[in-house]
Amino acid sequence: SYDLTQPPSVSVSPGQTASITCSGDDLGYKYVSWYQQQPGQSPVLVIYQDNKRPSGIPERFSGSNSGNTATLTISGTQAMDEADYYCQAWDSSAALVFGGGTKLTVL
Amino acid sequence: QVQLQESGPGLVKPSQTLSLSCNVSGGSSLSGDYYWSWIRQPPGKGLEWLGYISYSGNNYYNPSLWSRIIISLDASKNQFSLKLSSVTAADTAVYYCARIRYEFRHYYYMDVWGTGTTVTVSS
Repeated sequence: SYDLTQPPSVSVSPGQTASITCSGDDLGYKYVSWYQQQPGQSPVLVIYQDNKRPSGIPERFSGSNSGNTATLTISGTQAMDEADYYCQAWDSSAALVFGGGTKLTVL
Repeated sequence: QVQLQESGPGLVKPSQTLSLSCNVSGGSSLSGDYYWSWIRQPPGKGLEWLGYISYSGNNYYNPSLWSRIIISLDASKNQFSLKLSSVTAADTAVYYCARIRYEFRHYYYMDVWGTGTTVTVSS
């Protein structure tokens, strides 16, 4: 099996930069995607292939991946960014894997 | 703009089989360089990938579910389906269908999701 580990929660002040990490063995050799899920809604893809943004996703969302850790960075965080965020990768032993999710609170 | 919509019973009895369908609409058929996938989310918990199917019918399932899960595809109806047998209360969740973009054994990500359907397992 393959596990992705995320912090349960991250807090950030409005206008500041939020960083959400996702850790896994040799994760830097895999492609990571990130999803945003607002309460009661379906997940939305915000980053794919480590650092690419789908059409319609604000530029303040960015991603990186190196070593054992991938990071989702939200610059100039807004109240509307408060949500749960999930990382996801593919592994030959477990196919598609999600991290446990991180609740982002904008204080 | 492709849209996915799940449908099926909201209540299933323990030990029975959960059956859901996902209708694909909005100009995208099931063919093409996509996989079609099911994901679930138990109440208050995270996302769990269940499995996916290709247009040609190749399946890949979550190893933890392989003995209970079947995903099938009906191209004539633009639908794909999930069957999960011998359900228990632990299978209570919101079930999502999603489209996967991929490069084989390289990258996989879900770019379109359905709205989700709640399934409760209870007698």
